[in-house]
Amino acid sequence: QITLKESGPTLVKPTQTLTLTCTFSGFSLTTSGVSVGWIRQPPGKALEWLALIYWDDDKRYSPSLKSRLTITKGTSKNQVVLTMTNMDPVDTATYYCAHSPSGIPGGYWGQGTLVTVSS
Amino acid sequence: QSVLTQPPSVSAAPGQKVTISCSGSSSNIGNNYVSWYQQLPGTAPKLLIYENYKRPSGIPDRFSGSNSGTSATLGITGLQTGDEADYYCGTWDSSLSAYVFGTGTKVTVL
Repeated sequence: QITLKESGPTLVKPTQTLTLTCTFSGFSLTTSGVSVGWIRQPPGKALEWLALIYWDDDKRYSPSLKSRLTITKGTSKNQVVLTMTNMDPVDTATYYCAHSPSGIPGGYWGQGTLVTVSS
Repeated sequence: QSVLTQPPSVSAAPGQKVTISCSGSSSNIGNNYVSWYQQLPGTAPKLLIYENYKRPSGIPDRFSGSNSGTSATLGITGLQTGDEADYYCGTWDSSLSAYVFGTGTKVTVL
């Protein structure tokens, strides 16, 4: 059974760096074709894809946020970490991680974590 | 601003059919598989359709997907009150080298 769960701060101040961790089970990020992606959703707004990391450590980023994002495999084999620099109130959103076979967000998503950016 | 355009809302009575369009371009829908997601209020998105028309296990055949050129369509037949949700299309954009979601469509059951 595949599960994913996001963790990280619920409140960050403007200009700070956000670090979110996706902890997953039921699959291995060393298996060919497997990837994990991050998606966010501001309150009342549409989904926005952020970043993706493949089993072979290849990475993809949203062009509009590329300069602020870094996605890495965590120190634990079952974790993926997303960092976003220079946070702004417009970055307030629910952040999701998703099992993304061949790079496509699939049938397994985390519950999401709401991050509020405010001073 | 999303590169995939959906109507903001569609509605129909219970038992009726609705279709949701997703308009893109040759760099995304025209050359890549489309997925569709359902998001019930307060929950994470759920995969409804992948690879244009395939349904994951457990998704009823009331939900269908199709493509034509640079547009995709999600169809829902036998509309139920439980289908009230936001629906999103998604696909890879080869020019952006990134995954993109549509603008989202709210389905209302009258």
